[in-house]
Amino acid sequence: GESVGLHLPTLSVQEGDNSIINCAYSNSASDYFIWYKQESGKGPQFIIDIRSNMDKRQGQRVTVLLNKTVKHLSLQIAATQPGDSAVYFCAEAPWMDSSYKLIFGSGTRLLVRP
Amino acid sequence: SAVISQKPSRDICQRGTSLTIQCQVDSQVTMMFWYRQQPGQSLTLIATANQGSEATYESGFVIDKFPISRPNLTFSTLTVSNMSPEDSSIYLCSVEDRGGEEGLTEAFFGQGTRLTVV
Repeated sequence: GESVGLHLPTLSVQEGDNSIINCAYSNSASDYFIWYKQESGKGPQFIIDIRSNMDKRQGQRVTVLLNKTVKHLSLQIAATQPGDSAVYFCAEAPWMDSSYKLIFGSGTRLLVRP
Repeated sequence: SAVISQKPSRDICQRGTSLTIQCQVDSQVTMMFWYRQQPGQSLTLIATANQGSEATYESGFVIDKFPISRPNLTFSTLTVSNMSPEDSSIYLCSVEDRGGEEGLTEAFFGQGTRLTVV
């Protein structure tokens, strides 16, 4: 079946460095992609999204890049802080059964070293 | 945005029993979603709960095991029936905001219910 996966299960970075979290997706029909952050004991929290007609979108300290040619999505976090330590999930949203369905990737744990 | 409250936040249950998880939203929403997150894993959609109709279950999930109620536009329950240790997971309630451009959806999640079956 179609799935969303991640290249790196764990990423350790030095505080202040930039982080890049990668994700591969397989459903070419997906036209909406989202990154979520999940801290321990909490539900996923929306970070940033991007439509398939875009290849880059910037937020506050975060940038999402979309490469539809190779079905690759990445999340860049600038000047990583200890509060960024969490598990990050990408999700794709194909239009199915008259609604968008979120299909989550397996997650990457980001560890920020002080 | 939407604020979602789930109860209980965690529970330890005996195998063979059932647990009902409640999800309360601070605004009216058409669609509510229930996810399961097994230990160290990603989120898997169990079912979509619409007010006034039967829930729609994803492949691998059945109503007898995970009955869902949706009595109004702000509330839903998920029951995990006849539990076994394999049901130990985090169960998450979610709603979507379709107020953005071109009907895009931003999903909001409750804090989850951590279930341990012994």
